Amino acid sequence: QKEVEQDPGPLSVPEGAIVSLNCTYSNSAFQYFMWYRQYSRKGPELLMYTYSSGNKEDGRFTAQVDKSSKYISLFIRDSQPSDSATYLCAMSPYGNNRLAFGKGNQVVVIP
Amino acid sequence: DAMVIQNPRYQVTQFGKPVTLSCSQTLNHNVMYWYQQKSSQAPKLLFHYYDKDFNNEADTPDNFQSRRPNTSFCFLDIRSPGLGDAAMYLCATSSGDPEETQYFGPGTRLLVL
Repeated sequence: QKEVEQDPGPLSVPEGAIVSLNCTYSNSAFQYFMWYRQYSRKGPELLMYTYSSGNKEDGRFTAQVDKSSKYISLFIRDSQPSDSATYLCAMSPYGNNRLAFGKGNQVVVIP
Repeated sequence: DAMVIQNPRYQVTQFGKPVTLSCSQTLNHNVMYWYQQKSSQAPKLLFHYYDKDFNNEADTPDNFQSRRPNTSFCFLDIRSPGLGDAAMYLCATSSGDPEETQYFGPGTRLLVL
């Protein structure tokens, strides 16, 4: 079993829809959870960073962590064509070092 | 702007011909990472430097080496590239503070003929 599982998609949604992405993991030591956005031919950029269980909101983006279920989610409200990208989840026991990444979810927002 | 720069953006090499990829940073970060990302795959950490301390991942092939001559620069050397080494190579940096993010460069796409 891989440490981090993320269904690679792709996911196509109409503009304005809610995008829901998730990852599961097997390592109970993971405490830090991140979502990165990667545009085509670019490096990943950090979107959301959460510690332990709970919710975090930043504008149209909400990250949720459920450590009891080993499950994390990212929601994008009022999706825009500029949100079209690959979204990677990442996690670590020790903060932002030695991250374990998911495969990434390709999202396409159709105008 | 402070950033992570990777050169070249695209590299074509021949099977077995050594190749070096370059990463530089203006963030003055202590930690520099090299990841390999194949198509539709998760980035895979190859190794990282904390200052001059080199940390190799257990499953990184010996074919991959790295050098960090100073704080700003880090190089990835592939001694004898095989067809399976064709991938995007990502460099990232961080301050070492676990609360701080990793900053990624744009990547170098390597093609092996």
